[in-house]
Parts: sequence; C-alpha cells; structure tokens
Amino acid sequence: AQKITQTQPGMFVQEKEAVTLDCTYDTSDPSYGLFWYKQPSSGEMIFLIYQGSYDQQNATEGRYSLNFQKARKSANLVISASQLGDSAMYFCATRSLVSGGYNKLIFGAGTRLAVHP
Amino acid sequence: GAVVSQHPSRVICKSGTSVKIECRSLDFQATTMFWYRQFPKQSLMLMATSNEGSKATYEQGVEKDKFLINHASLTLSTLTVTSAHPEDSSFYICSAQTGNEQYFGPGTRLTVT
Repeated sequence: AQKITQTQPGMFVQEKEAVTLDCTYDTSDPSYGLFWYKQPSSGEMIFLIYQGSYDQQNATEGRYSLNFQKARKSANLVISASQLGDSAMYFCATRSLVSGGYNKLIFGAGTRLAVHP
Repeated sequence: GAVVSQHPSRVICKSGTSVKIECRSLDFQATTMFWYRQFPKQSLMLMATSNEGSKATYEQGVEKDKFLINHASLTLSTLTVTSAHPEDSSFYICSAQTGNEQYFGPGTRLTVT
C-alpha cells in the first residue's frame, strides 16, 4: 500500500523568503512518481512538479524544486522567493509506475501555506 | 497545456434529486479519468477510476449505485449523484490522465438543501 505523510498542517513564510514543505512517503513499488499540487482557495488543483523514483537529479520548475531523498523516503517541496500568490494548500502525492499496477494518485493531508508581506 | 473542464462549477439542488457533473479533457484524449471528493479542509478522496468504454472501478466504501459514472468517450466522463442528500454536499473534482501526468478540473461545488 502507498501512503503520503505531510506533518505540517500549516506553515508561515515571509514574502521573498524560501520555504520547505515536508513530505514523506511509503510504498513497496519499485517504480513510482512523486507529485506536488497547489490548491488555492478557488479549489482548482494546479500541478507544480514531478519526480520519478529513478530520476537521478532533483526536479526543478522555476521557483519550485523537489528535494528527493530516496533513502529517507522524503520528497520535500522547496519554494524559493515566496510570493503572496503562493498562499494556498499544497498536496504531496504518489502514484505507482509499475506496469499493470494500480495507477491512482495517493494524496497527503496537505499543508496550508500563508505568505506574509 | 492540458486543460480539463468541469460543468457546472456550482450547483444547488434539493434533497432527493439527481445531479450530473461533466468532466472534459479539452485538448487531449484521456483513457483514464478519476473522480475525487473533497470535504472542507481535508484532502482529496478518490471515489472511482473511470476507463473509456468500460465500467468504473469504485473505491471501497463508495456506493456505485449512488455515484454513477459514465466514460462514454476519450474526452468526456460524467458523475451523476443520484437521490442526493445533504451529506452529499461536497467539492467534486475530476482529473484526466495523459502519460504519467494527471490534470485536474476546476471542481464542482455541490450543495444539497
């Protein structure tokens, strides 16, 4: 079974500073993907970044980077130079990439980020 | 980029009526679509996985006769909440898969009075 744990219900950060949102995962699959999504108050789920379990380098997308530590089973999201518009819920998720496997996304409980001016 | 739409965005219905929510992938074909439910301040809970041309696979605890899912084409899946009750009030989100990525619709807020 797959499981995502996000231990920070809420986080605060000052505008222009960097913030790390924690995510640990548990899976028995040899191949899996890790995802981060942003959900603003409007409710839409916005895809931020993806990391494959066999990717050698940490994924980066603009101000977002994923600190992937496979041995520790962690996939923390780092947001650099925070902006007021980054205030939202952030969800970490995982999905098996095993062929024929159950390919549903498993979400964590989420972390609410508040960016202060 | 990949866009998924949902209609309606908000719906209010009376208890006992049925409500249909549409999910469309606008610029890509999706063999698999997913339906999620989200209660306030909670995470997304997967309700069912919908594959084009076949019956949906429901998660444990989700009543398939209450939440009817139809995936008639590669770009359209529908969720019908039958005989809705106030406890069905929630935010319903669909997503469509292409390759390794899932793109989400904007969600539908259902209120049952």
